[in-house]
This record gives sequence, C-alpha cells and structure tokens, in this order.
Amino acid sequence: GAVVSQHPSRVICKSGTSVKIECRSLDFQATTMFWYRQFPKQSLMLMATSNEGSKATYEQGVEKDKFLINHASLTLSTLTVTSAHPEDSSFYICSGKGVESYEQYFGPGTRLTVT
Amino acid sequence: LAKTTQPISMDSYEGQEVNITCSHNNIATNDYITWYQQFPSQGPRFIIQGYKTKVTNEVASLFIPADRKSSTLSLPRVSLSDTAVYYCLVDYNNNDMRFGAGTRLTVKP
Repeated sequence: GAVVSQHPSRVICKSGTSVKIECRSLDFQATTMFWYRQFPKQSLMLMATSNEGSKATYEQGVEKDKFLINHASLTLSTLTVTSAHPEDSSFYICSGKGVESYEQYFGPGTRLTVT
Repeated sequence: LAKTTQPISMDSYEGQEVNITCSHNNIATNDYITWYQQFPSQGPRFIIQGYKTKVTNEVASLFIPADRKSSTLSLPRVSLSDTAVYYCLVDYNNNDMRFGAGTRLTVKP
C-alpha cells in the first residue's frame, strides 16, 4: 500500500504555544487528506477533511481557528494547533486518498503533549 | 456520526478463527466497505476492502451479503499478535470518513 508519513512523531509543548504537524504522502498524490484525533482507548474522531488547494471542511465542534489546516500541495497537509492547552494533548493521525480511490492510507500518528 | 455498529470487544484463543460483524444499514449503492487494524499508538492499517459477496487476501476474508447492510471480517487462525482494535469503515458519499467505536479483539494463549 501507499505510504503516509507524519512529522514529528512526538512533540511536547508548553501551554499557550502553537505546534505544527506535517502529513506527507510519499508515493501517491493525495487529493484529499483527513485529520483525526484519538484519545486513549477511544476511536478516531474525524476533525476535518481537506482537498488540495481548498479550505478544509471541519467537523461539528472542531474550532477551525484553533486547528489550522493547510493542504497546499498533493503531497503535503499541515495541522497547526494554535494556543495549545493541556486538553489538546492527544494522538493526531492523518490520512490521504488519491483521485477516485476508495482506500485511505494512514500516517503513523503524532503524540502531542501540552504541559 | 458514524454509520457503523460493531461489538465493543471480543476474546479468542490462538489458532481459532475470529469473525467480526459490522452493521451498516444505510450503506449507499456506491459505497465500499473497508476494515482497518490498529495497534496502540499507531495509525490504522488497511486489512481488506470489498463491495459485495466475498473478498479474500493473504490475511483475511470479507463476507458481504446481498443486501450489503452488514459485513463480516474473518481472521483465520489468529495469533497473539492479532490482538488489536478492528474498525469497519463505510465510505458514505465518498469521503465521509467517520469511524465507529471499533472492536477490541483480545487473543489469549
């Protein structure tokens, strides 16, 4: 299957600061990318869907001004958590889908800890 | 909200066959059914995908009845390393990627 990478794999930041997470499709063009958040022992919660070159579509309850998503190219999407707070500590996972594809490929996830 | 329902947990023993059923009553004509496996602190991993009848690959089989309102993932001869959470995902209207609660499978020796 296709490969999606995330960077960093782990990040610790202080409360009030911002942190950026990168998601890259390494061997395919991801026309659509998805961002998920997962708390311990819970399922993945879809945060937003982004299409290359367009504004992301956020799920209900997800603050678009807090979780900034940029999908500037067919191989890169970024999620920036602005003014992070301890409750934003979570496992963030991205995935990508190609054109006319029913399969999404997931990244390995990024563990964010806000102190 | 997710449109799939699965058992919360299942237990099995090494060497047994495990069948996990997912309900998706509102599946649309063009939707595919995909199953993923997730280990702790890792991203989900693709297992198998199907549209109707039966699909088999080197790790699993997927059975889908004619009405497509459910699907069953079959794992032959599970091992301890198959202990994980398994998710059923139905692609509603293309790109409606909401996960259900998943099934936590525990394989015992």
